[in-house]
Amino acid sequence: EAGVAQSPRYKIIEKRQSVAFWCNPISGHATLYWYQQILGQGPKLLIQFQNNGVVDDSQLPKDRFSAERLKGVDSTLKIQPAKLEDSAVYLCASSLDLSTDTQYFGPGTRLTVL
Amino acid sequence: EDKVVQSPLSLVVHEGDTVTLNCSYEVTNFRSLLWYKQEKKAPTFLFMLTSSGIEKKSGRLSSILDKKELFSILNITATQTGDSAVYLCAGGNSGNTPLVFGKGTRLSVIA
Repeated sequence: EAGVAQSPRYKIIEKRQSVAFWCNPISGHATLYWYQQILGQGPKLLIQFQNNGVVDDSQLPKDRFSAERLKGVDSTLKIQPAKLEDSAVYLCASSLDLSTDTQYFGPGTRLTVL
Repeated sequence: EDKVVQSPLSLVVHEGDTVTLNCSYEVTNFRSLLWYKQEKKAPTFLFMLTSSGIEKKSGRLSSILDKKELFSILNITATQTGDSAVYLCAGGNSGNTPLVFGKGTRLSVIA
């Protein structure tokens, strides 16, 4: 069974530029999560989707971050414009559905903002 | 506010040692406690615990949950250098709210 796919694996941009990350969850998983993990911290949820609907985006900085999952399968997360403090690893995870706590993570994207 | 606290934050042991990692939680409508191993970037799933006192085991790793005292431990016996990683603990609840992660314990196993 293929795992969660993410791209790119690494990205370096300058502040005020924009960047987009892509995630393809495990086939059949209805719930998709985007996390931000700053060095030395646990993952912090940015947004949670159930199919193509948003379940929780309370911690998403909506002035600069946006995410979509239009067809209920793959998802993109965008930052525009980026700030220095956005440097982190961005993890995508999926689970079977909302009643399942076990989440499976992708390899992550390491973003460096200069 | 829900929270998960892990201790110690970091640990250095020699190969062959046994280690115990701790996780305490305060999660409203608690449903499950999960352990992940994070090497480099992607956390990989280890265990999910939902019932008190029932040990889950996988090779040299084992974990148990105490729902009365609100904590879990992860044991690793006969540690190997490949066990070096950050171990994350997360609490899940019965609503649609997301997992709450701790900061992790960084384990370093030296030869």
